[in-house]
Amino acid sequence: AQKITQTQPGMFVQEKEAVTLDCTYDTSDQSYGLFWYKQPSSGEMIFLIYQGSYDEQNATEGRYSLNFQKARKSANLVISASQLGDSAMYFCAMRERADTGNQFYFGTGTSLTVIP
Amino acid sequence: NAGVTQTPKFQVLKTGQSMTLQCAQDMNHEYMSWYRQDPGMGLRLIHYSVGAGITDQGEVPNGYNVSRSTTEDFPLRLLSAAPSQTSVYFCASRAVWTGETQYFGPGTRLLVL
Repeated sequence: AQKITQTQPGMFVQEKEAVTLDCTYDTSDQSYGLFWYKQPSSGEMIFLIYQGSYDEQNATEGRYSLNFQKARKSANLVISASQLGDSAMYFCAMRERADTGNQFYFGTGTSLTVIP
Repeated sequence: NAGVTQTPKFQVLKTGQSMTLQCAQDMNHEYMSWYRQDPGMGLRLIHYSVGAGITDQGEVPNGYNVSRSTTEDFPLRLLSAAPSQTSVYFCASRAVWTGETQYFGPGTRLLVL
């Protein structure tokens, strides 16, 4: 079974609108970490946001927030007030056993296009 | 800090040739790892290391060797390149006890003919 599932291969959003990128995960561990990375066309991987499984509040970093629903095993990324520079691939990732785990699992990514 | 650096940026190999992809970090991170990225498949872990002298296999280790003689460096060796190893390779590092995320290098594009 896939550890991380991203069901949206491509998404479009109007500039200045908000967009949600979906991510579901599969783990039996109680302690794990969830991550989102951005990969622009230049190719580098940029860390955006992190959510620990024991964190009670949803993580936020500027215009990025992570909608963490533990019971549903989902960790959706919300980008508010989209900008043209947000056009990129977005990857959801998980590290099990958040304190000692050594393997990160990545989803297949969502391509976001921001329309002027 | 330079962060995580990788060389070369691009490489073309012929089937059967060997080469080493270099990765270095200057953040004193214990954990280092290698991924490959193929279209439609996200990133897959090849090998990782939690410290000098300690390495372990990830999801797709076949055809690749690694060693970790220093904290800073984590080279990836292709002993006999195959067209199936055409990919983009990323190196990443992370602080084991204080860091949550890992930081990625700029990647190496490898084409095996």
